[in-house]
Formats: sequence, structure tokens, C-alpha cells
Amino acid sequence: DGGITQSPKYLFRKEGQNVTLSCEQNLNHDAMYWYRQDPGQGLRLIYYSQIVNDFQKGDIAEGYSVSREKKESFPLTVTSAQKNPTAFYLCASSIVTGIHYGYTFGSGTRLTVV
Amino acid sequence: AQSVTQLDSHVSVSEGTPVLLRCNYSSSYSPSLFWYVQHPNKGLQLLLKYTSAATLVKGINGFEAEFKKSETSFHLTKPSAHMSDAAEYFCVVSDLGNDMRFGAGTRLTVKP
Repeated sequence: DGGITQSPKYLFRKEGQNVTLSCEQNLNHDAMYWYRQDPGQGLRLIYYSQIVNDFQKGDIAEGYSVSREKKESFPLTVTSAQKNPTAFYLCASSIVTGIHYGYTFGSGTRLTVV
Repeated sequence: AQSVTQLDSHVSVSEGTPVLLRCNYSSSYSPSLFWYVQHPNKGLQLLLKYTSAATLVKGINGFEAEFKKSETSFHLTKPSAHMSDAAEYFCVVSDLGNDMRFGAGTRLTVKP
């Protein structure tokens, strides 16, 4: 079945450590997105990519980095510069057309700083 | 730029009674509108979408929403709530391209 796979489901980070969250899709979607979710704040866009080897900052990109070397993969690195990384992270993908058909979401990664 | 306001952060209903989750949007163009549902520690699942076809949109699990341009609203309804409907619901608007703007969410509680 086609879908988006995020791993790991739970991740613990020590202070000052970089961690990478994985996002893989087999839907042949061109566009991929990373969102951060905090209680009561909805979803905030971190980065997005509409084509391989190209990506754009979203609303809260500071302290994060991404790469898009393959169409299927869009990993997110949470760097030590992100001062408050504890959150639920969601990856999504979509077809890029004139009509927006919506996003397909992964099941999320919960990151906790210990 | 487009935006969306979910008018209630929390809605509580009894099982078997109707559900109404309210959403108002702002858009410079003809928008696409969506409702997503999220169960605890899960990703978001698409309930239904409006993309300039019929203004009354039917989705999964008995939910439906009506696009009202004059009121800039896209409220989500269900005739009879079920315990399994308890979750967080997000209203989303998209103008041109693929830029999606999410509301802050409405938490639905269903009492036995």
C-alpha cells in the first residue's frame, strides 16, 4: 500500500545533540513538508520541498535543516540551535497540480529532550 | 494570504447528539478547504475536501461540511456523535498552489 512512513515513532535527544527524523513516501508525490505540532498551536510549517534538490523555509525554520536528494525521502535534522525541540513532528506529501487535493500525512515522530 | 479560524478550541457533546465544529476562512481567491482529524499521537487523516465543486461535501465516517462563500464558512457537522469521533479536528485552507494554512484545532469530546 502507498503511504508515508516516519521513523522513529519516539525519539529522545540530549542537550546539544543533533538528531535526524526520517520521512519516506512511495506515493510518487512531488512535494513534501515538515510540520511541528505543539499543544494548542495547531501545525506550523518548518520546511517544504516541491522538487528534488530544492527546498524552502517555512514559518519556523530556525534550528532545523533538511535535504531532498531523492523524490521519496525528505529527512529533517533538529540541530542543537533549536532551543525548544520537544514536540510532535509530522511529515506530509502532496501532488503538485493546479487544484489542491490535500496532503497525505505520516504517523508522526514525538521528540523529547532529556 | 489565506487564513483560517476555528471558532471553538473545545467542543463537548453526548453520544448520539449532533456535532458542529465551526470554521471561518479568509482567502483572496477561490479556496480549497479541508477538514482533517487527528487521534492522539497519530498523523492527520483527511475527512473531506472542497475544491470548487458541490458546496455540500460528504466525507468519511458520516461527516459533512458546507461551503458558504457569503459567510466565508466551512463548518463540519455530523448528525449523531459516536465515541470513536473523539479527536482533534483541523480546518485547512489553501489558495493557489500548495500552501496550506491550518487552524489551531478543535478538540471534540464525546460523553457516554
